[in-house]
Amino acid sequence: DQQVKQNSPSLSVQEGRISILNCDYTNSMFDYFLWYKKYPAEGPTFLISISSIKDKNEDGRFTVFLNKSAKHLSLHIVPSQPGDSAVYFCAASASPGTYKYIFGTGTRLKVLA
Amino acid sequence: DTGVSQNPRHKITKRGQNVTFRCDPISEHNRLYWYRQTLGQGPEFLTYFQNEAQLEKSRLLSDRFSAERPKGSFSTLEIQRTEQGDSAMYLCASSLAETGNGYTFGSGTRLTVV
Repeated sequence: DQQVKQNSPSLSVQEGRISILNCDYTNSMFDYFLWYKKYPAEGPTFLISISSIKDKNEDGRFTVFLNKSAKHLSLHIVPSQPGDSAVYFCAASASPGTYKYIFGTGTRLKVLA
Repeated sequence: DTGVSQNPRHKITKRGQNVTFRCDPISEHNRLYWYRQTLGQGPEFLTYFQNEAQLEKSRLLSDRFSAERPKGSFSTLEIQRTEQGDSAMYLCASSLAETGNGYTFGSGTRLTVV
């Protein structure tokens, strides 16, 4: 039972263009969402989060959008840079102070120079 | 602060052997987590500690797995009688219970059971 789904295993984008990574969830109890970035041979690194009381959160080139009715969130990276090439994981939990996150399977982003 | 440190980085073991991994969290973090990641999957929750107390174990954690966090500092994850299906990346993470900014992960220990 995959509660957090990232249906695109990979994505290629030209440098300078927008990257859009998508994530869907099934559990309506989830109310806190995070994106992690993972480079090879390293652990995942926290990127950005959003609470269900918001529909958008922005941090520099990274923006996360949340559509609660559709149980869908997306990560926008503008402009994309070659250093953004990594695997991106979406994760969800029932509260921001929770101990357990459910991760998606990840999307491998490749930014082409 | 050097972040979350995991040792060893790689471990190759024969089926049936026991292995132990160590995690040193960020010193002021009171929560410590173990996750497992297999190829093509996201990290899956195994267990977590608040200080020295182990508060939850996933059903993924069979009786062959045991984790400890003596004195609420570093943690160890032991796998007894390893099986080929145990081959995975074992990730440790830590956090402060009060913050909502997710975890800080270590670089993981890659286990290969041959």
